[in-house]
Amino acid sequence: EPEVTQTPSHQVTQMGQEVILRCVPISNHLYFYWYRQILGQKVEFLVSFYNNEISEKSEIFDDQFSVERPDGSNFTLKIRSTKLEDSAMYFCASTIDRGYEQYFGPGTRLTVT
Amino acid sequence: GENVEQHPSTLSVQEGDSAVIKCTYSDSASNYFPWYKQELGKRPQLIIDIRSNVGEKKDQRIAVTLNKTAKHFSLHITETQPEDSAVYFCAARGARGGYQKVTFGIGTKLQVIP
Repeated sequence: EPEVTQTPSHQVTQMGQEVILRCVPISNHLYFYWYRQILGQKVEFLVSFYNNEISEKSEIFDDQFSVERPDGSNFTLKIRSTKLEDSAMYFCASTIDRGYEQYFGPGTRLTVT
Repeated sequence: GENVEQHPSTLSVQEGDSAVIKCTYSDSASNYFPWYKQELGKRPQLIIDIRSNVGEKKDQRIAVTLNKTAKHFSLHITETQPEDSAVYFCAARGARGGYQKVTFGIGTKLQVIP
């Protein structure tokens, strides 16, 4: 069964550094998402992406965040200048069409020191 | 925006007993309600979902009910087993934003005691 994959599984970075988290959605899926989960808390929506543009974003997704689909398979989340409070598990998800189940990747644990 | 409340936050049951987790949502336009199971350090995995045109759905030991009028939905797990121990999240997806954003509840940590 196809799965969403994410790399790296764990990223440690210093405050102020830029990080790029990578995701490979399921190949025939058209809608892509990023969520984050701070340790012990609920999963929070960050952004949705369709047809090479952001379709919805949350208040968490400020100017420090950006997303890109640089080629036909990857979907990336960039944090320009990381803060301590960006430490969290970041999940990518994809779906074949809106209204259908979103499939989650295994997550990238981001630790900002 | 949508707000999903979930309770209890923790739940301990004896193996073989039933577990019930309840959620409420705020946006009457929400039309899809998935339930995710998350084991420690792993991704959320969909275990069952229900759409707003259905009041109840069952899959083996798991059932969900939806009351659109009251904006309540619940997860029922019968004959619990130790491997059911995990954090369970309810969620709601609405019509705003093109049916894309999924809003999660706070999660319920279920412990099944052998």
